[in-house]
Amino acid sequence: DAGVIQSPRHEVTEMGQEVTLRCKPISGHNSLFWYRQTMMRGLELLIYFNNNVPIDDSGMPEDRFSAKMPNASFSTLKIQPSEPRDSAVYFCASSSGYQETQYFGPGTRLLVL
Amino acid sequence: EDQVTQSPEALRLQEGESSSLNCSYTVSGLRGLFWYRQDPGKGPEFLFTLYSAGEEKEKERLKATLTKKESFLHITAPKPEDSATYLCAVHNQAGTALIFGKGTTLSVSS
Repeated sequence: DAGVIQSPRHEVTEMGQEVTLRCKPISGHNSLFWYRQTMMRGLELLIYFNNNVPIDDSGMPEDRFSAKMPNASFSTLKIQPSEPRDSAVYFCASSSGYQETQYFGPGTRLLVL
Repeated sequence: EDQVTQSPEALRLQEGESSSLNCSYTVSGLRGLFWYRQDPGKGPEFLFTLYSAGEEKEKERLKATLTKKESFLHITAPKPEDSATYLCAVHNQAGTALIFGKGTTLSVSS
């Protein structure tokens, strides 16, 4: 059974460029979460979708970040323009309900030069 | 403010040397405490969920326990393959987000 799928696994880009991260949740899960992990701040929630609708985006750092979930099997997190301080590992997680166990993908390691 | 604190930050054990990791939390109305294991370069892997004080869950050499203010992850006779970072998390008051601790990095040497 496939878990959460994320792409790309690694991304290196230059400051000012647009970055798009992709996520396919576990089939049948209706809640999707984007997290960011850094050494300084640990794992932090960026945004949470329920049934494809954004419910809580209070963790999105600023307007340069946006996330969409056009259907139940696909979500994107976009950073435009990217900055060096955005360098981190970005994880997508899904669950069968907003308070149920969250299952994480392998992450996208982003480096902005 | 909802908060999760894990200790110690790092723990080095010899193979077979049992120990415990601590997770203390402050949140109103606990909706679940989660333990995850994270290996380098990978995403967190779910281990346990605990919902009420006194609850215990076991998996191989790991046992998680919960009180009203903290949880412990007991590791009995660890092996080198247990080396990883162990993360603890609780739901925030609204139940819409997991709040993670910074983790305990466990190293087990043979």
